[in-house]
Amino acid sequence: KNEVEQSPQNLTAQEGEFITINCSYSVGISALHWLQQHPGGGIVSLFMLSSGKKKHGRLIATINIQEKHSSLHITASHPRDSAVYICAVRPQPPPLSVSYTGNQFYFGTGTSLTVIP
Amino acid sequence: DGGITQSPKYLFRKEGQNVTLSCEQNLNHDAMYWYRQDPGQGLRLIYYSQIVNDFQKGDIAEGYSVSREKKESFPLTVTSAQKNPTAFYLCASRDGYNEKLFFGSGTQLSVL
Repeated sequence: KNEVEQSPQNLTAQEGEFITINCSYSVGISALHWLQQHPGGGIVSLFMLSSGKKKHGRLIATINIQEKHSSLHITASHPRDSAVYICAVRPQPPPLSVSYTGNQFYFGTGTSLTVIP
Repeated sequence: DGGITQSPKYLFRKEGQNVTLSCEQNLNHDAMYWYRQDPGQGLRLIYYSQIVNDFQKGDIAEGYSVSREKKESFPLTVTSAQKNPTAFYLCASRDGYNEKLFFGSGTQLSVL
């Protein structure tokens, strides 16, 4: 059972296209993260969201808490955007929990994006 | 520059051998994590630590061990009990103030 589902798994786009990557989750969350993993493996945090929308350059992330859904948009895509994009959620602690540490994250399997010049 | 340093980038293990992956951070973060990444799968938690001298097992802790003797350091030992150790290992830390995650560049472990 995957708490976090991403779509599509793979995406190929022409340079300049508008790109959307989707993330759905099944648990109550305190925050959602969008991460970028380049070839070579290192991961960079792009956004952390708990509500609404955030924008950084050509990247926009939105979240709908009621629908348990988030999207990552890339405007005017560029070959340097080619990477794996990973959605991760930090679940809310269970009610009345005295031992829950809140340190667990659930990760999607990632969306591999290739932008062709 | 603040960040997380993992070493080595590539590591080869012989059968029956224990190997240790290094993770050092200068971000002054309390929470640190070790994840395993296999092709086609999401990151899976091996161990995490909230504070010095404390750590908790994650979902796939069998065959692994950790220590947290210093805030900056969270080394992972892959023991001979881990029968399928070939994977990409990522160390991470979490900023307790803004909840942002920081990752190292990873270590690719392979079996000879």
